[in-house]
Amino acid sequence: SQTIHQWPATLVQPVGSPLSLECTVEGTSNPNLYWYRQAAGRGLQLLFYSVGIGQISSEVPQNLSASRPQDRQFILSSKKLLLSDSGFYLCAWVRDRPYEQYFGPGTRLTVT
Amino acid sequence: GDSVTQMEGPVTLSEEAFLTINCTYTATGYPSLFWYVQYPGEGLQLLLKATKADDKGSNKGFEATYRKETTSFHLEKGSVQVSDSAVYFCALSGYSSASKIIFGSGTRLSIRP
Repeated sequence: SQTIHQWPATLVQPVGSPLSLECTVEGTSNPNLYWYRQAAGRGLQLLFYSVGIGQISSEVPQNLSASRPQDRQFILSSKKLLLSDSGFYLCAWVRDRPYEQYFGPGTRLTVT
Repeated sequence: GDSVTQMEGPVTLSEEAFLTINCTYTATGYPSLFWYVQYPGEGLQLLLKATKADDKGSNKGFEATYRKETTSFHLEKGSVQVSDSAVYFCALSGYSSASKIIFGSGTRLSIRP
């Protein structure tokens, strides 16, 4: 069966520091992968998605970037965090039709 | 473009009450429809899905029927429990090559003992 992992689970970082969040999927190959952010008490905002190694699409201009160095690995990064980057970051992968997405446990990021 | 609209929350009910959370959508073609649930501090879990008109998705006592004539996918449960307290998201997927899902804004449900 497929499993999706995210780490770290929680992170507290000062403004201006770098960021690296990792997502890995097990049990499937060549999945479409997604990064979402959820601000406190809010809905989901799609940040990036990837349909293959090295292929990244950005949905919203951000202080963030994404990379996919391996088939089942998706990384979210920032060179300098802003206070507004605080939130709950979720990674997801998609199954073939009907294209339901499966989510990881999330990373809660607090920028101080 | 495609969109999902769901009822504003929060919704507060007593245990064993009947639940309805409304969801309507706008989409071209025949999207698949989903309900996701998010418990506090966790990621989203797929609760149920329907892939074509008149399909009924069901899971854990929850049900939703894909109504193309009214473009709706309302979530229902006959008798809610305290453990159902969570945020519920309605969503659709279309036919884009990126398989993106469009989510509603979420409805927070609180159940009183």
